[in-house]
Amino acid sequence: NAGVTQTPKFRVLKTGQSMTLLCAQDMNHEYMYWYRQDPGMGLRLIHYSVGEGTTAKGEVPDGYNVSRLKKQNFLLGLESAAPSQTSVYFCASRRQGAEKEKLFFGSGTQLSVL
Amino acid sequence: AQKITQTQPGMFVQEKEAVTLDCTYDTSDPSYGLFWYKQPSSGEMIFLIYQGSYDQQNATEGRYSLNFQKARKSANLVISASQLGDSAMYFCASSFNDYKLSFGAGTTVTVRA
Repeated sequence: NAGVTQTPKFRVLKTGQSMTLLCAQDMNHEYMYWYRQDPGMGLRLIHYSVGEGTTAKGEVPDGYNVSRLKKQNFLLGLESAAPSQTSVYFCASRRQGAEKEKLFFGSGTQLSVL
Repeated sequence: AQKITQTQPGMFVQEKEAVTLDCTYDTSDPSYGLFWYKQPSSGEMIFLIYQGSYDQQNATEGRYSLNFQKARKSANLVISASQLGDSAMYFCASSFNDYKLSFGAGTTVTVRA
């Protein structure tokens, strides 16, 4: 019953450092997403993928890159972290089927950039 | 761009009473889905209820019901008989005939004993 697994759960970075967040799902879902959650702003979509080898920009993509080399994994990279990227990051996945399918979420990653 | 609006940042409700959380959306797509998620203080996102734009009846799941008013573009969540465990942040979300789910800013509900 793993579902969607995010690693790490917590991370502290210094400004300018880089890191990669890993999302893995074992439900054979086609679609995967990265969101960030900030107080008063809800969840905002960073990047998403509709299948292996494909990625697309969401609402707030600047400063982030993603890759989906395998269907089950979706990586979010920060090349040069900034304090504005301090946030809680959620990965999510869903089955193909568009608007009727709910998202399955990971447990989140708390990232602080000093 | 599609947009979800939740105008209530925070609400207090007495235990055992009902509470209504407002959600409006803006779309010209004829086909879409509306969702509500709960986020307790532990941080996980819990799916509560779904309503499709072509569904004839309002969705219900236990103590949760969705008051869907299509002409007003409104999808309010009603929680009946509130419990202390209902204290959480609640998010309205939508998928507008594409791959993405857009979220509102959320409403914090605090249930008082």
